[in-house]
Amino acid sequence: AQSVTQPDIHITVSEGASLELRCNYSYGATPYLFWYVQSPGQGLQLLLKYFSGDTLVQGIKGFEAEFKRSQSSFNLRKPSVHWSDAAEYFCAVVPPRRNYQLIWGAGTKLIIKP
Amino acid sequence: AAGVIQSPRHLIKEKRETATLKCYPIPRHDTVYWYQQGPGQDPQFLISFYEKMQSDKGSIPDRFSAQQFSDYHSELNMSSLELGDSALYFCASSPRTSGRGDTGELFFGEGSRLTVL
Repeated sequence: AQSVTQPDIHITVSEGASLELRCNYSYGATPYLFWYVQSPGQGLQLLLKYFSGDTLVQGIKGFEAEFKRSQSSFNLRKPSVHWSDAAEYFCAVVPPRRNYQLIWGAGTKLIIKP
Repeated sequence: AAGVIQSPRHLIKEKRETATLKCYPIPRHDTVYWYQQGPGQDPQFLISFYEKMQSDKGSIPDRFSAQQFSDYHSELNMSSLELGDSALYFCASSPRTSGRGDTGELFFGEGSRLTVL
């Protein structure tokens, strides 16, 4: 089945450490790819997106993501996390020819250790 | 910059009651989407509208209905509420560009939290 997979339900990192959140999709053609962040009780904020072109995408709050076609992946990275990055992170795709219907990963909860 | 406005932010209802959520998209955005996010779950697509017409339908229960008005705001009407309808309801909007078409980017409101007792 076509889907979006975030294999890590929770990730715990120390403040100042680097971060990588994984996202894989299973569609024949490359979908549009997004990362959203949701702080507790808050709405969804777009971190970054990939449509085409340069496979390394820069986003807000110091995040970046790399699209790897061969691995059907769009992993989110940050070189040094801050306590305020603690939140849930969702990978989402707009499948080819599906006009905006976002398909969401299950989310990864990021916990920051002081 | 203007964002997607949702009201009310919080709503408490009893079982079998009705509820209406409102969404005001970003100016010049003509497409609106509704999502439902249960506790600890990812958002589930309910329904979308483009130019006041339903454009896509997801897992919206028959007890729910929605429409988009001439000013592009949208309302989600929920009847015969059940305990399982307790969730965070997100509205998102996006612009449709001419020519090649959409950007695929959705701008989300902060959500309306519905609690059914």
